[in-house]
Amino acid sequence: DVKVTQSSRYLVKRTGEKVFLECVQDMDHENMFWYRQDPGLGLRLIYFSYDVKMKEKGDIPEGYSVSREKKERFSLILESASTNQTSMYLCASSSIGTGYQPQHFGDGTRLSIL
Amino acid sequence: ELKVEQNPLFLSMQEGKNYTIYCNYSTTSDRLYWYRQDPGKSLESLFVLLSNGAVKQEGRLMASLDTKARLSTLHITAAVHDLSATYFCAVDINAGNMLTFGGGTRLMVKP
Repeated sequence: DVKVTQSSRYLVKRTGEKVFLECVQDMDHENMFWYRQDPGLGLRLIYFSYDVKMKEKGDIPEGYSVSREKKERFSLILESASTNQTSMYLCASSSIGTGYQPQHFGDGTRLSIL
Repeated sequence: ELKVEQNPLFLSMQEGKNYTIYCNYSTTSDRLYWYRQDPGKSLESLFVLLSNGAVKQEGRLMASLDTKARLSTLHITAAVHDLSATYFCAVDINAGNMLTFGGGTRLMVKP
């Protein structure tokens, strides 16, 4: 089974702090994604990466950056946390192999910015 | 800009009843995914629909895709309490596996 592991389930930070959310997958997937989930809005894509050191902006990249130095690890960085970034953050990975494979999700990090 | 709309957003139903969740999207695509999310848990893949007319069934859930109408449905047959969860549809329009999600349908099945 694919395992996508996010480093924290719950995180509380202060406004202005630099925040790192880490995600690791164990299935050698090429694609990795960061979403935020807010009630009634579904999941919105922040960034995705299709290869090491490669990244593409999603729908809501403002205030975020990402890093992918190794294939299995994809980090989301909040450069200067603000209260409107309080949310659930979900990491996902997928393969570009044969067919269209579903994305596999981690358990999420519930981030509160005070 | 692709928009994906689900309805209803909230559904309360009795066990044993049938119901359908609708997923409409605004741009041509023939790749649609359904996911389930239990409270406090991650998203679990349910169905991958890859062509017009595709139909997939698993237990009491059946999903279909009409690409001409830009509509997917998730039909629930004889609902049971274990189906209580939030269901999301997601559309992929650029073959890069970038998904746009609907807002989710929260389903509550009452005994």
